[in-house]
Amino acid sequence: GENVEQHPSTLSVQEGDSAVIKCTYSDSASNYFPWYKQELGKRPQLIIDIRSNVGEKKDQRIAVTLNKTAKHFSLHITETQPEDSAVYFCAASDTPLVFGKGTRLSVIA
Amino acid sequence: KAGVTQTPRYLIKTRGQQVTLSCSPISGHRSVSWYQQTPGQGLQFLFEYFSETQRNKGNFPGRFSGRQFSNSRSEMNVSTLELGDSALYLCASSFSTGNEKLFFGSGTQLSVL
Repeated sequence: GENVEQHPSTLSVQEGDSAVIKCTYSDSASNYFPWYKQELGKRPQLIIDIRSNVGEKKDQRIAVTLNKTAKHFSLHITETQPEDSAVYFCAASDTPLVFGKGTRLSVIA
Repeated sequence: KAGVTQTPRYLIKTRGQQVTLSCSPISGHRSVSWYQQTPGQGLQFLFEYFSETQRNKGNFPGRFSGRQFSNSRSEMNVSTLELGDSALYLCASSFSTGNEKLFFGSGTQLSVL
């Protein structure tokens, strides 16, 4: 089955700096790669996703890149703000969706 | 549109007991997935139901079971509870099965004493 590794497990950045979270997956059949954000005490919410026929996708300050050959994908957050502080989960799917263990991002004002 | 609703929000049980958790998906969504969330382990897949049929099952013991009703509502049951079953149980719904955006509920926090 699919296995997703996520790094780093914790990340601290200064407000305004960029943050990058990286994930690798094992199943070459996976073709859907979403990212979820979970604020403290709240439910995970989808922030961006990418499918295997696309190499990069951007939504305002958030971007995701996918390298299918190397089986890794990354989340990039630019101009970080305190409200970006949360746990971020990557996932990969050829059904069902398999999640990484999460990255706790802290944005220091 | 109402979101995914999970009940109860909190549960405290003792070892050996059994528990049933409920999930009502977003109206029109026919797929319901269940995940166990524990600190440091992320979200671990339990099972997925679509049109009352279990489509996928994760690597959990047989004490964990589930079902889906004709109105797409789903329940999961854990029998003979162990201390290690203490976790946040999240359900998520999607319109269909397979590579779909998941919408999560707020979860049921289960504590086993």
